[in-house]
Amino acid sequence: IAGITQAPTSQILAAGRRMTLRCTQDMRHNAMYWYRQDLGLGLRLIHYSNTAGTTGKGEVPDGYSVSRANTDDFPLTLASAVPSQTSVYFCASSDSGSGSTDTQYFGPGTRLTVL
Amino acid sequence: GQNIDQPTEMTATEGAIVQINCTYQTSGFNGLFWYQQHAGEAPTFLSYNVLDGLEEKGRFSSFLSRSKGYSYLLLKELQMKDSASYLCAVIDSNYQLIWGAGTKLIIKP
Repeated sequence: IAGITQAPTSQILAAGRRMTLRCTQDMRHNAMYWYRQDLGLGLRLIHYSNTAGTTGKGEVPDGYSVSRANTDDFPLTLASAVPSQTSVYFCASSDSGSGSTDTQYFGPGTRLTVL
Repeated sequence: GQNIDQPTEMTATEGAIVQINCTYQTSGFNGLFWYQQHAGEAPTFLSYNVLDGLEEKGRFSSFLSRSKGYSYLLLKELQMKDSASYLCAVIDSNYQLIWGAGTKLIIKP
């Protein structure tokens, strides 16, 4: 079944630890996104990639990094986790990126707790 | 600043009709999305409006008025499975997607 997968489903992490959230899509979409979703707030964009080999900063990029070595994968890394990074993280993809109105399709999410 | 307003929570009865409003103030406009998100799940696409008027898709319809910065999602013949959060999102002049906080819809039998 075509779509987006994320791993892990959930994780409890000690503050200061490094963590990589994985995201893979098989729809051959050019653009991919990482969001965080916190109670009472809208989805907030962390980083995005319009095509393989390029990345950009979103609304809340501090403390996070991404890479886009190929079309399918878009991992998100927390170099040194802090409790304020406790959230649900969604990966999304769309056919085109910046300058388009294409629909974004979401992965199932990763629930991360930083203690 | 950019702002999207939706009611935090609404309650409706099974079989009834409910209208979820969304007002926006953004730097430019290139379209508006509605997504549905069940608790603990990913948002899923419902509709996209870029021109004024009503778009109907089965039990769900979405309306847009660009001059008023206003949209609504209309759900007819409500079913228990429609209990979810409904997210409004606007594409601004820079083609950035701005998200509202979502409206939690509770359906009662």
